[in-house]
Amino acid sequence: DVQLQESGPGLVKPSQSLSLTCSVTGYSITSGYYWNWIRQFPGNKLEWMGYISYDGRNNYNPSLKNRISITRDTSKNQFFLKLNSVTTEDTATYYCGRNGNYFDYWGQGTTLTVSS
Amino acid sequence: DIVMTQSQKFMSTSVGDRVSITCKASQNVRTAVAWYQQKPGQSPKALIYLASNRHTGVPDRFTGSGSGTDFTLTINNVQSEDLADYFCLQHWIYPLTFGGGTKLEIK
Repeated sequence: DVQLQESGPGLVKPSQSLSLTCSVTGYSITSGYYWNWIRQFPGNKLEWMGYISYDGRNNYNPSLKNRISITRDTSKNQFFLKLNSVTTEDTATYYCGRNGNYFDYWGQGTTLTVSS
Repeated sequence: DIVMTQSQKFMSTSVGDRVSITCKASQNVRTAVAWYQQKPGQSPKALIYLASNRHTGVPDRFTGSGSGTDFTLTINNVQSEDLADYFCLQHWIYPLTFGGGTKLEIK
């Protein structure tokens, strides 16, 4: 079965960068699909952040402008989120998810708090 | 960006009833809509994709309908375990966008 698992620091200071990892088991991220980051703010609003495709292409939400980068390590079957210059408004639960026509598999989520 | 509006923030229903949750797109998204269920403390789980197709393992009491701009998730014979938030997603145009969610309460 396909499983995704996020990991991250939990707490980041304003103006710093956040880095999260999504570890995938049960399916190779180079075999197909699009590998996404999605976040859920306090109050439950969901925001699609971006993806890296099975062949390494990126697509990002313009709302994140030039702050976001999604990369991968195919040898470990992992993909990564980096978000620069974080503010308190980036406090959220971050999910990774697989997307073909829709997000069919999600990780359990990792909560990130931005605070000094 | 396409705005997905779930006008009902809260809905209350009883076990055994039928409930319909609606989602309206700000422009035509054909049938590129999915529905998700999120129980407290859990990640969202897929229910419906392409407006009316059930995700693997989803009970047939969950049905989706609609096309264009108006979409509906119907739950027949509501069960106590259906207590959750329900979100729609349009996957027609990037950036993908979600509805604000509908919280289903069981009386």
